[in-house]
Amino acid sequence: GAVVSQHPSRVICKSGTSVKIECRSLDFQATTMFWYRQFPKKSLMLMATSNEGSKATYEQGVEKDKFLINHASLTLSTLTVTSAHPEDSSFYICSAPTQGSGGGYTFGSGTRLTVV
Amino acid sequence: KNEVEQSPQNLTAQEGEFITINCSYSVGISALHWLQQHPGGGIVSLFMLSSGKKKHGRLIATINIQEKHSSLHITASHPRDSAVYICAVHTGNQFYFGTGTSLTVIP
Repeated sequence: GAVVSQHPSRVICKSGTSVKIECRSLDFQATTMFWYRQFPKKSLMLMATSNEGSKATYEQGVEKDKFLINHASLTLSTLTVTSAHPEDSSFYICSAPTQGSGGGYTFGSGTRLTVV
Repeated sequence: KNEVEQSPQNLTAQEGEFITINCSYSVGISALHWLQQHPGGGIVSLFMLSSGKKKHGRLIATINIQEKHSSLHITASHPRDSAVYICAVHTGNQFYFGTGTSLTVIP
Protein backbone atom coordinates (compact mmCIF):
# COMPACT_ATOMS: atom_id res chain seq x y z
CA GLY A 1 0.00 0.00 0.00
CA ALA A 2 0.86 3.66 -0.12
CA VAL A 3 3.48 4.79 2.37
CA VAL A 4 4.63 8.18 3.57
CA SER A 5 8.17 7.96 4.85
CA GLN A 6 8.95 10.59 7.49
CA HIS A 7 12.47 11.37 8.71
CA PRO A 8 13.97 11.77 11.15
CA SER A 9 11.87 9.90 13.69
CA ARG A 10 13.65 11.64 16.55
CA VAL A 11 15.86 14.69 16.67
CA ILE A 12 17.46 16.67 19.46
CA CYS A 13 18.78 20.11 18.63
CA LYS A 14 20.15 23.13 20.41
CA SER A 15 18.17 26.32 20.83
CA GLY A 16 18.63 28.66 17.92
CA THR A 17 19.36 26.01 15.35
CA SER A 18 17.09 24.86 12.54
CA VAL A 19 15.71 21.40 11.97
CA LYS A 20 14.34 19.97 8.75
CA ILE A 21 11.74 17.22 8.71
CA GLU A 22 11.09 15.35 5.48
CA CYS A 23 8.04 13.47 4.30
CA ARG A 24 8.33 11.41 1.15
CA SER A 25 5.50 9.63 -0.58
CA LEU A 26 6.53 6.20 -1.77
CA ASP A 27 4.81 4.65 -4.78
CA PHE A 28 2.38 7.52 -5.16
CA GLN A 29 2.38 11.22 -5.88
CA ALA A 30 1.42 13.54 -3.05
CA THR A 31 0.21 16.80 -4.53
CA THR A 32 -0.93 17.81 -1.06
CA MET A 33 0.71 17.23 2.32
CA PHE A 34 -0.78 18.07 5.69
CA TRP A 35 1.51 18.93 8.60
CA TYR A 36 0.38 18.41 12.18
CA ARG A 37 1.78 19.08 15.60
CA GLN A 38 0.94 17.27 18.80
CA PHE A 39 1.48 18.67 22.25
CA PRO A 40 1.73 16.22 25.15
CA LYS A 41 -1.63 14.65 25.96
CA LYS A 42 -3.33 16.79 23.34
CA SER A 43 -4.90 16.15 19.96
CA LEU A 44 -3.00 16.45 16.77
CA MET A 45 -3.41 19.99 15.45
CA LEU A 46 -3.18 20.96 11.81
CA MET A 47 -0.37 23.45 11.22
CA ALA A 48 -0.38 23.88 7.49
CA THR A 49 -1.26 22.38 4.16
CA SER A 50 1.38 22.25 1.47
CA ASN A 51 0.67 21.92 -2.23
CA GLU A 52 3.26 20.97 -4.80
CA GLY A 53 4.58 23.98 -6.62
CA SER A 54 2.74 26.60 -4.61
CA LYS A 55 2.87 28.32 -1.24
CA ALA A 56 1.67 26.48 1.81
CA THR A 57 -1.52 27.46 3.58
CA TYR A 58 -0.98 28.02 7.28
CA GLU A 59 -3.56 27.68 10.02
CA GLN A 60 -4.31 30.65 12.22
CA GLY A 61 -1.67 31.18 14.86
CA VAL A 62 1.08 29.27 13.07
CA GLU A 63 4.13 31.40 12.30
CA LYS A 64 4.99 31.12 8.63
CA ASP A 65 8.54 32.38 9.09
CA LYS A 66 9.21 29.92 11.86
CA PHE A 67 7.76 26.82 10.27
CA LEU A 68 8.97 26.85 6.69
CA ILE A 69 7.22 24.38 4.43
CA ASN A 70 8.50 23.43 1.02
CA HIS A 71 6.74 21.10 -1.40
CA ALA A 72 9.07 21.20 -4.38
CA SER A 73 8.16 17.86 -5.91
CA LEU A 74 5.26 15.45 -6.07
CA THR A 75 7.00 13.08 -3.67
CA LEU A 76 8.66 15.33 -1.13
CA SER A 77 7.44 17.88 1.37
CA THR A 78 9.64 19.36 4.07
CA LEU A 79 9.00 21.27 7.28
CA THR A 80 11.85 23.34 8.66
CA VAL A 81 11.63 24.58 12.22
CA THR A 82 13.81 27.69 12.19
CA SER A 83 15.59 29.15 15.21
CA ALA A 84 14.14 26.42 17.36
CA HIS A 85 13.28 27.06 20.99
CA PRO A 86 12.37 24.62 23.76
CA GLU A 87 8.69 25.45 23.33
CA ASP A 88 8.93 24.04 19.80
CA SER A 89 9.62 20.64 21.30
CA SER A 90 6.76 18.52 20.07
CA PHE A 91 5.68 15.66 17.88
CA TYR A 92 5.29 16.54 14.21
CA ILE A 93 3.46 14.34 11.72
CA CYS A 94 2.56 14.59 8.06
CA SER A 95 -0.17 12.98 6.03
CA ALA A 96 -1.06 12.87 2.37
CA PRO A 97 -4.13 11.96 0.38
CA THR A 98 -3.55 8.57 -1.21
CA GLN A 99 -4.61 8.40 -4.81
CA GLY A 100 -6.55 5.37 -5.91
CA SER A 101 -7.60 4.19 -2.48
CA GLY A 102 -11.07 5.66 -2.32
CA GLY A 103 -10.02 8.91 -0.73
CA GLY A 104 -7.78 7.56 1.97
CA TYR A 105 -4.98 9.34 3.73
CA THR A 106 -1.61 7.97 4.64
CA PHE A 107 0.23 9.22 7.69
CA GLY A 108 3.94 9.53 8.27
CA SER A 109 5.22 7.89 11.41
CA GLY A 110 6.04 11.22 13.02
CA THR A 111 9.07 13.12 14.27
CA ARG A 112 9.79 13.75 17.95
CA LEU A 113 11.62 17.06 18.19
CA THR A 114 13.37 18.00 21.41
CA VAL A 115 15.00 21.42 21.64
CA VAL A 116 17.52 21.80 24.45
CA LYS B 1 -16.85 21.21 22.49
CA ASN B 2 -14.50 19.13 20.38
CA GLU B 3 -15.66 17.90 17.03
CA VAL B 4 -14.35 14.44 17.95
CA GLU B 5 -14.83 12.89 21.36
CA GLN B 6 -13.25 9.66 22.46
CA SER B 7 -13.97 7.47 25.45
CA PRO B 8 -12.52 6.32 27.67
CA GLN B 9 -9.50 8.60 27.98
CA ASN B 10 -7.57 5.93 29.84
CA LEU B 11 -8.08 2.20 29.91
CA THR B 12 -6.30 -0.58 31.75
CA ALA B 13 -7.06 -4.18 30.87
CA GLN B 14 -5.79 -7.62 31.72
CA GLU B 15 -4.18 -9.60 28.95
CA GLY B 16 -6.80 -11.50 27.01
CA GLU B 17 -9.65 -9.09 27.66
CA PHE B 18 -11.90 -7.72 24.94
CA ILE B 19 -11.44 -3.98 24.60
CA THR B 20 -13.69 -1.33 23.11
CA ILE B 21 -12.78 2.28 22.42
CA ASN B 22 -15.49 4.65 21.32
CA CYS B 23 -15.46 7.72 19.09
CA SER B 24 -18.28 10.18 18.52
CA TYR B 25 -18.13 13.09 16.13
CA SER B 26 -20.30 16.06 15.37
CA VAL B 27 -19.34 16.97 11.81
CA GLY B 28 -20.21 15.49 8.46
CA ILE B 29 -17.41 13.23 7.36
CA SER B 30 -16.06 11.58 4.27
CA ALA B 31 -14.00 9.10 6.26
CA LEU B 32 -12.95 8.14 9.77
CA HIS B 33 -9.49 6.92 10.72
CA TRP B 34 -8.23 4.96 13.68
CA LEU B 35 -4.59 5.60 14.46
CA GLN B 36 -2.26 3.88 16.90
CA GLN B 37 0.49 5.85 18.57
CA HIS B 38 3.19 3.93 20.38
CA PRO B 39 5.00 5.26 23.45
CA GLY B 40 7.91 6.34 21.26
CA GLY B 41 5.52 8.57 19.32
CA GLY B 42 5.34 6.70 16.02
CA ILE B 43 1.90 6.62 14.47
CA VAL B 44 0.41 3.76 12.53
CA SER B 45 -2.79 4.04 10.56
CA LEU B 46 -5.00 1.11 11.55
CA PHE B 47 -8.22 1.65 9.64
CA MET B 48 -9.98 4.06 7.34
CA LEU B 49 -13.76 3.69 7.37
CA SER B 50 -16.60 5.34 5.56
CA SER B 51 -19.24 2.73 6.36
CA GLY B 52 -19.77 -0.65 7.94
CA LYS B 53 -17.03 -2.69 9.50
CA LYS B 54 -13.42 -3.65 8.88
CA LYS B 55 -11.29 -6.34 10.47
CA HIS B 56 -7.56 -6.77 10.58
CA GLY B 57 -6.21 -9.52 12.75
CA ARG B 58 -7.45 -8.96 16.29
CA LEU B 59 -8.66 -5.46 15.51
CA ILE B 60 -12.18 -4.63 14.41
CA ALA B 61 -13.49 -1.17 13.56
CA THR B 62 -17.13 -0.27 13.04
CA ILE B 63 -18.86 2.93 12.08
CA ASN B 64 -22.48 4.05 12.24
CA ILE B 65 -22.84 7.06 9.99
CA GLN B 66 -26.37 7.87 11.14
CA GLU B 67 -25.34 7.92 14.79
CA LYS B 68 -21.96 9.54 14.05
CA HIS B 69 -20.21 6.93 16.11
CA SER B 70 -17.35 4.51 15.63
CA SER B 71 -15.87 1.82 17.79
CA LEU B 72 -12.49 0.12 17.78
CA HIS B 73 -12.43 -3.35 19.28
CA ILE B 74 -9.41 -5.39 20.26
CA THR B 75 -9.95 -9.08 20.86
CA ALA B 76 -7.63 -11.17 23.05
CA SER B 77 -5.68 -8.09 24.10
CA HIS B 78 -1.93 -8.34 24.57
CA PRO B 79 0.62 -6.11 26.32
CA ARG B 80 2.00 -5.10 22.93
CA ASP B 81 -1.38 -3.48 22.23
CA SER B 82 -0.51 -0.87 24.86
CA ALA B 83 -0.56 2.44 23.02
CA VAL B 84 -2.63 5.55 22.47
CA TYR B 85 -5.47 5.06 20.01
CA ILE B 86 -6.62 8.16 18.16
CA CYS B 87 -9.82 8.66 16.23
CA ALA B 88 -9.63 11.13 13.36
CA VAL B 89 -12.35 12.25 10.97
CA HIS B 90 -12.00 13.89 7.61
CA THR B 91 -14.73 16.23 6.45
CA GLY B 92 -13.49 16.50 2.89
CA ASN B 93 -11.72 19.72 3.76
CA GLN B 94 -9.85 18.99 6.94
CA PHE B 95 -9.10 16.53 9.68
CA TYR B 96 -10.34 16.64 13.24
CA PHE B 97 -8.64 14.49 15.84
CA GLY B 98 -9.75 13.07 19.14
CA THR B 99 -7.48 13.42 22.16
CA GLY B 100 -6.78 9.73 22.18
CA THR B 101 -7.38 6.76 24.45
CA SER B 102 -4.38 5.53 26.38
CA LEU B 103 -4.55 1.75 26.65
CA THR B 104 -2.42 -0.31 29.00
CA VAL B 105 -2.67 -4.08 28.84
CA ILE B 106 -1.26 -5.83 31.87
CA PRO B 107 0.22 -9.31 31.55
